[in-house]
Amino acid sequence: GAVVSQHPSRVICKSGTSVKIECRSLDFQATTMFWYRQFPKQSLMLMATSNEGSKATYEQGVEKDKFLINHASLTLSTLTVTSAHPEDSSFYICSARAGGDFNEQFFGPGTRLTVL
Amino acid sequence: GQNIDQPTEMTATEGAIVQINCTYQTSGFNGLFWYQQHAGEAPTFLSYNVLDGLEEKGRFSSFLSRSKGYSYLLLKELQMKDSASYLCAPVDSNYQLIWGAGTKLIIKP
Repeated sequence: GAVVSQHPSRVICKSGTSVKIECRSLDFQATTMFWYRQFPKQSLMLMATSNEGSKATYEQGVEKDKFLINHASLTLSTLTVTSAHPEDSSFYICSARAGGDFNEQFFGPGTRLTVL
Repeated sequence: GQNIDQPTEMTATEGAIVQINCTYQTSGFNGLFWYQQHAGEAPTFLSYNVLDGLEEKGRFSSFLSRSKGYSYLLLKELQMKDSASYLCAPVDSNYQLIWGAGTKLIIKP
């Protein structure tokens, strides 16, 4: 099956710093990548959708200047949480879709962000 | 609006069968996924239904009725490792997956 990796798996940072999370599709080209956030015992919340080479589409209520998304290639997307605050502490998960009629999203293992 | 309705939590016994129901309302429909998510981990794919009927895959089966906006996931021969959250995610007209909070399944010996 298709494999998606995320790095880092866990990060702890001080309030005010920026954190970059990488999402890579290892054995397929991802035309679309998705970034989700999940708080404990809650559903996945879609933050943004990005297509390679174009600007990301952000969901309502997600600040695009705070959560910077770059999808520079068909195998790599990055999410940068700028000036992180404790309320940004969450589980961030990326997924990738190869395209075509079958819309399966392959999920990365997630990144646990803790902002002190 | 778009809505997913699943039970919050279910409990079943090891070796038994359990059915997790899901009703949904979406703007358009392009299939429905079931994912399994263990605590602290990302979701993993279980099944995808786009036509009415039952799809069987080993111990897991998924059923879809598009006219009723209804799906279920059937798990047989339950094992302790099946303790997880099960997420029903229909795909809307924009090919976006719509996520609910999922059903937490607790397996007891």
